[in-house]
Amino acid sequence: GAGVSQTPSNKVTEKGKYVELRCDPISGHTALYWYRQSLGQGPEFLIYFQGTGAADDSGLPNDRFFAVRPEGSVSTLKIQRTERGDSAVYLCASSPKQNPGGQETQYFGPGTRLLVL
Amino acid sequence: AQSVAQPEDQVNVAEGNPLTVKCTYSVSGNPYLFWYVQYPNRGLQFLLKYITGDNLVKGSYGFEAEFNKSQTSFHLKKPSALVSDSALYFCAVRDQGRGSTLGRLYFGRGTQLTVWP
Repeated sequence: GAGVSQTPSNKVTEKGKYVELRCDPISGHTALYWYRQSLGQGPEFLIYFQGTGAADDSGLPNDRFFAVRPEGSVSTLKIQRTERGDSAVYLCASSPKQNPGGQETQYFGPGTRLLVL
Repeated sequence: AQSVAQPEDQVNVAEGNPLTVKCTYSVSGNPYLFWYVQYPNRGLQFLLKYITGDNLVKGSYGFEAEFNKSQTSFHLKKPSALVSDSALYFCAVRDQGRGSTLGRLYFGRGTQLTVWP
């Protein structure tokens, strides 16, 4: 596709429920990132994939959060036992590759707005 | 630790006047610096980046930014503002020499730019 796509665009769920958020990166991009943006804040890093493997998951806030990228393209962010504090916009980004120098630009999707009631 | 500060929550300028959105950063090594713009209910859109070389970087929509190593700053500028430039602007930094955390960007809290007619 032309850009990073994310589905759903909005998700409303109840406290304690499980949610999955999907990201389709730009075709051919090997690096994929998840960020979380709370109201009035800048995006905060969650996890970064290089291919199928998570190169850095140190931003995941706790073990309720998990992400996968089984075929090195589409990624799913999974949140178990959602809490009201999980309400935020979840952003996905991709970049062509991640050289050791890290110069590549990250291109962001429109985000998924999650509301936990 | 890496961090970004955007000291102004809001910047207001008249159309046709020059604009500056300020950003200072802190990294342990040499920085890669980025500016993104976010329109309402949209993802982050890349404007420009500094990797190396010329301290003045030119980007999309007439924006430019000047890297100042001694002041650890990367201010975003435009000679003549347009009403359509009104949006939320984010500065971000990545440390060149940080191993497995090379993927992540550290964002500021954002600056709301309003250009009035």
